[in-house]
Amino acid sequence: EPEVTQTPSHQVTQMGQEVILRCVPISNHLYFYWYRQILGQKVEFLVSFYNNEISEKSEIFDDQFSVERPDGSNFTLKIRSTKLEDSAMYFCASSEGLGQPQHFGDGTRLSIL
Amino acid sequence: AQSVTQLGSHVSVSEGALVLLRCNYSSSVPPYLFWYVQYPNQGLQLLLKYTTGATLVKGINGFEAEFKKSETSFHLTKPSAHMSDAAEYFCAVILYNQGGKLIFGQGTELSVKP
Repeated sequence: EPEVTQTPSHQVTQMGQEVILRCVPISNHLYFYWYRQILGQKVEFLVSFYNNEISEKSEIFDDQFSVERPDGSNFTLKIRSTKLEDSAMYFCASSEGLGQPQHFGDGTRLSIL
Repeated sequence: AQSVTQLGSHVSVSEGALVLLRCNYSSSVPPYLFWYVQYPNQGLQLLLKYTTGATLVKGINGFEAEFKKSETSFHLTKPSAHMSDAAEYFCAVILYNQGGKLIFGQGTELSVKP
């Protein structure tokens, strides 16, 4: 069964550094998402992406964050200048269409030191 | 604001006993409802979904859930718990008119005792 893959599984970065989290969505899916889960808290929506542009973003997704689909298969989340509070598990998801079930990757655990 | 509430952050059952995980939502428009399961160090796996039609939906691993509009609930059940069911369970809602983002509940950790 096709699956969403995320790399790396664990990223450790110094505060203030830039990080790029990578995702390969399911190939025939059109909608892409990033979520994050801070330890002990609920899964929170960050951003959705469709037709090469952001369709919706949350209050968390400020100017430090950006997303890109550089080559038609990868979907990346960039955090320009990381803060301690960015430490979390970041999940990528994709879906065939709006309102369709979203399929999640195994996540990237981001640790900011 | 739309929200999802899961009653009980931790539920413990004996192997073979009924599993009942509660989920209530608030929404001003008809929602799409989902249950996801998360095993340790893994991503979120879809258990089942409700979009339209039959209000009792069956999912993987013997789970099912019933959409009750009058109670704004979507509780997850399984007649007989298995040790392998131990995991974190998340109820989530999509509001179709809000771009398809999932709004999650806090999650319920299910423990299964031998």
